[in-house]
Amino acid sequence: LAKTTQPISMDSYEGQEVNITCSHNNIATNDYITWYQQFPSQGPRFIIQGYKTKVTNEVASLFIPADRKSSTLSLPRVSLSDTAVYYCLVYSSASKIIFGSGTRLSIRP
Amino acid sequence: NAGVMQNPRHLVRRRGQEARLRCSPMKGHSHVYWYRQLPEEGLKFMVYLQKENIIDESGMPKERFSAEFPKEGPSILRIQQVVRGDSAAYFCASSSQASGISYNEQFFGPGTRLTVL
Repeated sequence: LAKTTQPISMDSYEGQEVNITCSHNNIATNDYITWYQQFPSQGPRFIIQGYKTKVTNEVASLFIPADRKSSTLSLPRVSLSDTAVYYCLVYSSASKIIFGSGTRLSIRP
Repeated sequence: NAGVMQNPRHLVRRRGQEARLRCSPMKGHSHVYWYRQLPEEGLKFMVYLQKENIIDESGMPKERFSAEFPKEGPSILRIQQVVRGDSAAYFCASSSQASGISYNEQFFGPGTRLTVL
């Protein structure tokens, strides 16, 4: 199972773009890269998933270089409500998901 | 379309009592997963079940913990003779499929916060 490494915490301000990078050096061919968001006292919520290049949805963008050994979650124009823990996950089967400690993102006014 | 439901949301037990946590997956989902989360930590996988079958219980403590997902009704995580170290948030998730090189999202419930006095 591929292990991921991401910053423990990040701070930013409202209206800024936030980029959270995750390293996954031993990612397997079948693995997808998935990001979840967790607010205090709630269960994690799926944000975005990708295999390679770039994926964009209404919430975020995910950038994956050609070697797939890292990925960057990009949150455009963050607001206070984006304060949460963000988990980078790498897996091919939903039955084998390992959550790390995540990145604690704090947004200030 | 209701999401994953868990009850109770908060559960207080004294040491030695039993705790039963319930999880109703999303409609149409036949795969259920249980996780435990301690404060300031990530989620730790406990067990993965399909209807009437335990598929992977590699994260489940060998003693006092059990899980089931009967043909009818919710999935149950049971903790016997609880100890203070069992205090945590327990999350249930469900998915429509579990394998294959394809989009596989787990949908999480709101969790049950267990406090052992």
